[in-house]
Order: sequence, then C-alpha cells, then structure tokens
Amino acid sequence: QSALTQPPSASGSPGQSVTISCTGTSRDVGGYNYVSWYQQHPGKAPRLIIYEVSKRPSGVPDRFSGSKSGNTASLTVSGLQAEDEADYYCGSFVGGNILVFGGGTNLTVL
Amino acid sequence: QVQLVESGGGVVQPGRSLRLSCEAAGFTFSDYAMHWVRQAPGKGLEWVAVVSKDENNKYYAASVKGRFTISRDYSKNTVFLQMNSLRVEDTAVYYCARVNTGWSGDFWGQGTLVIVSS
Repeated sequence: QSALTQPPSASGSPGQSVTISCTGTSRDVGGYNYVSWYQQHPGKAPRLIIYEVSKRPSGVPDRFSGSKSGNTASLTVSGLQAEDEADYYCGSFVGGNILVFGGGTNLTVL
Repeated sequence: QVQLVESGGGVVQPGRSLRLSCEAAGFTFSDYAMHWVRQAPGKGLEWVAVVSKDENNKYYAASVKGRFTISRDYSKNTVFLQMNSLRVEDTAVYYCARVNTGWSGDFWGQGTLVIVSS
C-alpha cells in the first residue's frame, strides 16, 4: 500500500488561509469517509485535529477544517497563527484493514 | 485525563528482539482498539499495527507482518509490541495511540526510540 500524496511544504502569512491536499485512491481516501489529519510540532507526538474527513475533536479551534472530493482530501487552516507552524499528516483507512499516512507537509507561517 | 506512556525502547543489534509497552490511563482500556505507529528519524508517520478492543482482531503493515506481534494485557491496561528479527530500517520512534472512529488516533503517547544498529 503506497503512502498518500501530500505536498512537502506550504506557507502563508499570519491571518491568511492555507490548504493542504492529500491524494489517494478509491481504495483509501475515495472509498471511505475515514480521513484524519494530524499536527506535529518538532520533537512532539502527533495531535489529532480532524477525523472522519471534517469532524474536529474537542479543543481543536474551528480555524481547522477538512473536506474531501473524490480521491483527494484537504485540510484548510484559516486565520493562520504562528503556532500553526508544524508538520501536518493525513491518514486514511484502507480496505483490507490497513491505515496509511501521507508523507507530511511542513507548514511555514511567514 | 487520557495518558499513554510507552517504554522499552533502546539500542539493539540487527536480528535481535525487543518488546515495547504502552501503559494506558484515564479511560476504560477495554473499550478501545489501540494502534502502534512509528516515525523514522526525519521521516513521516508509518502505521505499524492495530489490536481490537477485545483482542480478537490484529492487523499489521506489510513491512512488519510475520516479525512483529501486537497484544494487550487488560489487568495492566497495557498494549505490547513484540518485535523480532529487527532490521536497521526498523529504527524509529514508536508511538501508541488510542483508536477513535475511522481508525484515527485520538490520543498519542510521547513515543519510545528504537535504534537497530550493529
């Protein structure tokens, strides 16, 4: 099972919005509404910020939103803040009871 | 509050074995499936294995199938990862995570570092 495809980097200025894509296939992203997104700061454990494509866990700001179209899921961070600078990973359930992650996107707040 | 604490990492020679532990607290352990996820130095996340809440179902990534075994002990609120025939490419920080809906990991431990080197 190949990793999901994410852009290696993204950037935006404070207050702007940035969208990170996550492309898979009909066996993973396109086949299930089981896409999740994780934020990881350097040296820290990943933190769940989106699950089931667009749901936010308690405590996650509504500046973070998720969506999906076909085989591509997207994470949008609105009103960028300095603390949003981190690595972001998407993950998807795959038929056959496997979980697959994207390669990660490094978000820089300019 | 939910807490997951991994232990058991260290330096091991290729071909040897290591067992990782993840002790859970702050939630009803038997109500949740559990993941192991690893991250090689400077690399992205790689899913390793999952065990169902009743331990009846276990699934593995192709890269570790046949070498790694996931298990859990309800009396100790602990999930284990037995790693045999270790390879240099198994070097990584290993995280355990509680499984939420859709196989997402909603709480993660701080990780334990495994280095496979001669």
